[in-house]
Amino acid sequence: EAQVTQNPRYLITVTGKKLTVTCSQNMNHEYMSWYRQDPGLGLRQIYYSMNVEVTDKGDVPEGYKVSRKEKRNFPLILESPSPNQTSLYFCASSLGGGSGEQYFGPGTRLTVT
Amino acid sequence: AQKITQTQPGMFVQEKEAVTLDCTYDTSDQSYGLFWYKQPSSGEMIFLIYQGSYDEQNATEGRYSLNFQKARKSANLVISASQLGDSAMYFCAMREGRYSSASKIIFGSGTRLSIRP
Repeated sequence: EAQVTQNPRYLITVTGKKLTVTCSQNMNHEYMSWYRQDPGLGLRQIYYSMNVEVTDKGDVPEGYKVSRKEKRNFPLILESPSPNQTSLYFCASSLGGGSGEQYFGPGTRLTVT
Repeated sequence: AQKITQTQPGMFVQEKEAVTLDCTYDTSDQSYGLFWYKQPSSGEMIFLIYQGSYDEQNATEGRYSLNFQKARKSANLVISASQLGDSAMYFCAMREGRYSSASKIIFGSGTRLSIRP
């Protein structure tokens, strides 16, 4: 089954404790992306990746890191989480051309206390 | 800079009526793509429809159609014969560039649609 998986689905952590949210897709997609969703703001892009070892900043990259060492994986790293990073996070992937429909993961709800 | 505006935070519509969700965009690029996504209360993001800036005809997918008015920079979603299952949050999104491989994607703030039985 074609899918994007994220882990964990729910995470409660404390300020400053490094964490990684994993994202994996099995569709051989070139393009992968991370978003955060906050009430009233829609989805905002954090980082995106055009292919292996190629990443670029979205609109809200501060406080986040990403890497793309393999085509299927695109982890999101919060080196020193803060309460303002409490949010719902989505990973998505798409083919590199055409309509570029994005397939979304199920989301990760992160709470930083 | 890219911008997507959805001016309707919430809408109520009677079942079986048609509904139009508004979306306006701003971009200086000639080549771009417009998307609509549905987010039900369960939280997943569901792709509905896509329109490319060079597409001459409005996109349609079943009960969904995209009313694309390029000169006015609007990309409204039309849902015909609404159903109770259409109750959800709807997001308009835009990607600059003809291909998705090298560009940002931005989303509007969303419209919450509620269908009354």
